[in-house]
Amino acid sequence: KAGVTQTPRYLIKTRGQQVTLSCSPISGHRSVSWYQQTPGQGLQFLFEYFSETQRNKGNFPGRFSGRQFSNSRSEMNVSTLELGDSALYLCASKASGVSYNEQFFGPGTRLTVL
Amino acid sequence: GENVEQHPSTLSVQEGDSAVIKCTYSDSASNYFPWYKQELGKGPQLIIDIRSNVGEKKDQRIAVTLNKTAKHFSLHITETQPEDSAVYFCAAPLESYQLIWGAGTKLIIKP
Repeated sequence: KAGVTQTPRYLIKTRGQQVTLSCSPISGHRSVSWYQQTPGQGLQFLFEYFSETQRNKGNFPGRFSGRQFSNSRSEMNVSTLELGDSALYLCASKASGVSYNEQFFGPGTRLTVL
Repeated sequence: GENVEQHPSTLSVQEGDSAVIKCTYSDSASNYFPWYKQELGKGPQLIIDIRSNVGEKKDQRIAVTLNKTAKHFSLHITETQPEDSAVYFCAAPLESYQLIWGAGTKLIIKP
């Protein structure tokens, strides 16, 4: 079974631009979560989508948004990029959104904002 | 709200020795505690988890212990090997089946 894939793997943007990241979950998984990872800060939860609906949202500004398609693929968008948005963005999928199942992470998208 | 503290931030051990990483949590109602390992260039991967109805769980060289009274849980790795070098994250549950994560521990295995 193929793992979680994320595209692109690396991105370089400038302040003020916007960016869209993509995540394809494991086949059959309907829950997709997004995290921001920065050195020393661990994983900060952005949001979770389940069956095309946002189920949970972390404490991030409205510049961060996402969506999920009927095939469970998900996209995350960041508008008006700031230098502090430079981070590794990880997505994770799990089979169900209503239990503490194992989350399967993709390799991440490394975003650099100049 | 829930808070998870993880220590140490960096741990360097000689190959063959044991490594212990500790996390403390604040919500006494928490009942699920996973540990994830993140290797360079990869996303985190679940290595072991424990639920609050048991005090210890083992899987070959790794084990997790839980002290509900003190509200802390620890990851133990015995007979460390070079492939154990990675960043390890603990987590504790939030509402709606989300997790709050520790800041991570970089484990270095010295040859």
